[in-house]
Amino acid sequence: DGGITQSPKYLFRKEGQNVTLSCEQNLNHDAMYWYRQDPGQGLRLIYYSQIVNDFQKGDIAEGYSVSREKKESFPLTVTSAQKNPTAFYLCASSPLSPSSTDTQYFGPGTRLTVL
Amino acid sequence: GDSVTQMEGPVTLSEEAFLTINCTYTATGYPSLFWYVQYPGEGLQLLLKATKADDKGSNKGFEATYRKETTSFHLEKGSVQVSDSAVYFCALSGLISSGSARQLTFGSGTQLTVLP
Repeated sequence: DGGITQSPKYLFRKEGQNVTLSCEQNLNHDAMYWYRQDPGQGLRLIYYSQIVNDFQKGDIAEGYSVSREKKESFPLTVTSAQKNPTAFYLCASSPLSPSSTDTQYFGPGTRLTVL
Repeated sequence: GDSVTQMEGPVTLSEEAFLTINCTYTATGYPSLFWYVQYPGEGLQLLLKATKADDKGSNKGFEATYRKETTSFHLEKGSVQVSDSAVYFCALSGLISSGSARQLTFGSGTQLTVLP
């Protein structure tokens, strides 16, 4: 089955630690995105990537880093510089071909809790 | 910038009741509009979408019509079921400043609970 997988489902971090969230897709989509969701709020864009080895900051990139070494993978690192990292993190992907729609498809999410 | 304003919840309905969740937007150009649904502890699932004015998106009994004149995309369902209980997000898709990737701008979500 094609889709987006995220791991782990739950992640606990001590203050001062960096943690990396995994996102893999087998949809052959060019673009990938990371969003953050806080309780009672919509999603906010952290980073996005349109092609391998290239990525751009979204609205709330401070304290986060990403890499895009393979088309199917877009890991997110939450660094110790992120002051309030406890949240639900969602990865998404979309095609970028001219004839495609601009629908983004989401993974199941990772819930990060800072202890 | 782009923004989406969504009816605040929570909304509680009895089974078979009529559902409306209001959504209005502000955007430059001609964005695509979406409704996503999120079940507890899960990611977002695309419910329906519309890509141009007067388009009607529909899926699983849910409908929404892209109204450019009122900048709205209200979600409706004629008869809700207990299994429809979830959080519903309205979103618009706008071009990010560089390239052809698009950024989704979300409303704050509406929690729907359907009672048997």
